[in-house]
Amino acid sequence: GAVVSQHPSRVICKSGTSVKIECRSLDFQATTMFWYRQFPKQSLMLMATSNEGSKATYEQGVEKDKFLINHASLTLSTLTVTSAHPEDSSFYICSATGQTNTGELFFGEGSRLTVL
Amino acid sequence: GENVEQHPSTLSVQEGDSAVIKCTYSDSASNYFPWYKQELGKGPQLIIDIRSNVGEKKDQRIAVTLNKTAKHFSLHITETQPEDSAVYFCAASPHTGRRALTFGSGTRLQVQP
Repeated sequence: GAVVSQHPSRVICKSGTSVKIECRSLDFQATTMFWYRQFPKQSLMLMATSNEGSKATYEQGVEKDKFLINHASLTLSTLTVTSAHPEDSSFYICSATGQTNTGELFFGEGSRLTVL
Repeated sequence: GENVEQHPSTLSVQEGDSAVIKCTYSDSASNYFPWYKQELGKGPQLIIDIRSNVGEKKDQRIAVTLNKTAKHFSLHITETQPEDSAVYFCAASPHTGRRALTFGSGTRLQVQP
């Protein structure tokens, strides 16, 4: 199946710094990418939907100025957690879908963010 | 919006037994229902999916059933093996691939050898 790669897989940062997470579709063009957040032992919660070349659509309660999403190309979307705080520590997972409407969403391996 | 409920939250079975996980959804417009397996520290992996024009789908030891009238769908794993131990999530979406998935709360399956 299609491959979605996330980087970094783990990141530890100090409170107040910004962290960028990359999500790449390696063998298909991702017209739409979704960013999820997952706290320990909980389900995946949608943060935002990004379409290539346009602004991301954020879910209610997700601060767009804190979680900056850029989907500048059909193979790359980035999530930047700005001025990170310990409560932002979580597992961030991206998923992508291609131009063919097959329905399957391909998930990345996730990025674990720990803010000290 | 869509609301997906999943039961049970934990399930322990003996190796070789069957496991069944059930989900209900609220949005009658949903027509795509995938199931994911997530191992510790990893992203979800699609194991099977079903669309609303089909009532049942099977892939080796895994099967999914869908009842659109009752708005529920279930995952069936037969002849369970220890490597089936993981967290399983059901999900629903109104449009295949174009809309984000709404996930259930997850079921932690433990297969005892």
